[in-house]
Amino acid sequence: SQQGEEDPQALSIQEGENATMNCSYKTSINNLQWYRQNSGRGLVHLILIRSNEREKHSGRLRVTLDTSKKSSSLLITASRAADTASYFCATDATGTASKLTFGTGTRLQVTL
Amino acid sequence: GAVVSQHPSWVICKSGTSVKIECRSLDFQATTMFWYRQFPKQSLMLMATSNEGSKATYEQGVEKDKFLINHASLTLSTLTVTSAHPEDSSFYICTLYGGSKSTDTQYFGPGTRLTVL
Repeated sequence: SQQGEEDPQALSIQEGENATMNCSYKTSINNLQWYRQNSGRGLVHLILIRSNEREKHSGRLRVTLDTSKKSSSLLITASRAADTASYFCATDATGTASKLTFGTGTRLQVTL
Repeated sequence: GAVVSQHPSWVICKSGTSVKIECRSLDFQATTMFWYRQFPKQSLMLMATSNEGSKATYEQGVEKDKFLINHASLTLSTLTVTSAHPEDSSFYICTLYGGSKSTDTQYFGPGTRLTVL
């Protein structure tokens, strides 16, 4: 399977703490994307980082990409209860006509 | 962003029946549509790639005769699950790409939850 791996599988933190999720993948990529999914709902696109970029910020989100290690991380700072969701990375591999390969996902629980 | 709709949002059907799911772009013309499915507590898996006016390309292990895809126009693609069985119960999601929105981003539909009794 070409599916990426994410760790941890589940993460429970308190409101205000930072949450870090990691994603590893197997092939060369054009870009890597992070998505959020609330339980039973559709996916929300969070951020896209291209293969020639190393770090990207969007509000409380910070994404890094290390193509030499084929890995990425998503940091959510000052987490809120509303951040509770599953988070998936997805890679757009080179030569695949923009098909996305999703990671296994991290279930984040933020408690008050 | 772009607005993508799916209809129905959820459906319950009896085993052996066929179910059609529509994916519609409301504000742009997409050259490519992807269909994914997601089993409970699992990740999304690509089923097929659909380009307007041509036959869909299916991923390994996905039965093309069971999951019929019709990409009738740049704004509409349909997925028909034929002779559905309980193991087809899943969350089906379409995404749109390319065309009049030339970015790297895929635009996701809200998903259709299929339950086969």
